[in-house]
Amino acid sequence: AAGVIQSPRHLIKEKRETATLKCYPIPRHDTVYWYQQGPGQDPQFLISFYEKMQSDKGSIPDRFSAQQFSDYHSELNMSSLELGDSALYFCASSIRRDSYNNEQFFGPGTRLTVL
Amino acid sequence: QQQVKQSPQSLIVQKGGISIINCAYENTAFDYFPWYQQFPGKGPALLIAIRPDVSEKKEGRFTISFNKSAKQFSLHIMDSQPGDSATYFCAASPVVAAGNKLTFGGGTRVLVKP
Repeated sequence: AAGVIQSPRHLIKEKRETATLKCYPIPRHDTVYWYQQGPGQDPQFLISFYEKMQSDKGSIPDRFSAQQFSDYHSELNMSSLELGDSALYFCASSIRRDSYNNEQFFGPGTRLTVL
Repeated sequence: QQQVKQSPQSLIVQKGGISIINCAYENTAFDYFPWYQQFPGKGPALLIAIRPDVSEKKEGRFTISFNKSAKQFSLHIMDSQPGDSATYFCAASPVVAAGNKLTFGGGTRVLVKP
């Protein structure tokens, strides 16, 4: 079965640089979520999109922005990178129309290292 | 403030034994409770989930027990195997709220000894 695809899988950036992370949801999934996971920590919600509109917003820095495109893929743009942004970034997708459950399927993640 | 509290932080169990992980939540708006398994460097994988309308759900060796009045739920891993060694996260979300974001517990690192 098709899974969530994230690219790149690894990314190394310098402080103050910018980064773009991409997410391709499972086919027919209409909702995308972004989570950040620091070393030894649980995933923290950043932002979500449903049908290309921002659905909810968590603890996402103002330096970060994201959007969902017409083909449902999403991009997380990170500017003025800081050392503390080094983490695993996960994208998850779900079918919002399935209103009984909230099954979110996670991608393999992008490991961002800021030097 | 951790909205979902998970315990223990780590757990060692012998092969064939039972692993038990507990979670408690505060937000009464939560009505969907999944468990995720995560291996190092990998994305969380959905294991099993429960809604408050049932008190127990079993899938293979994994069982969720849910106590709505106590706002607690737990994962039981029966006949634990070395391949079950991973970090397990409980999570919670409202189903109908916008975005349906998952709020995770702090995780439990499980080690199954052969």
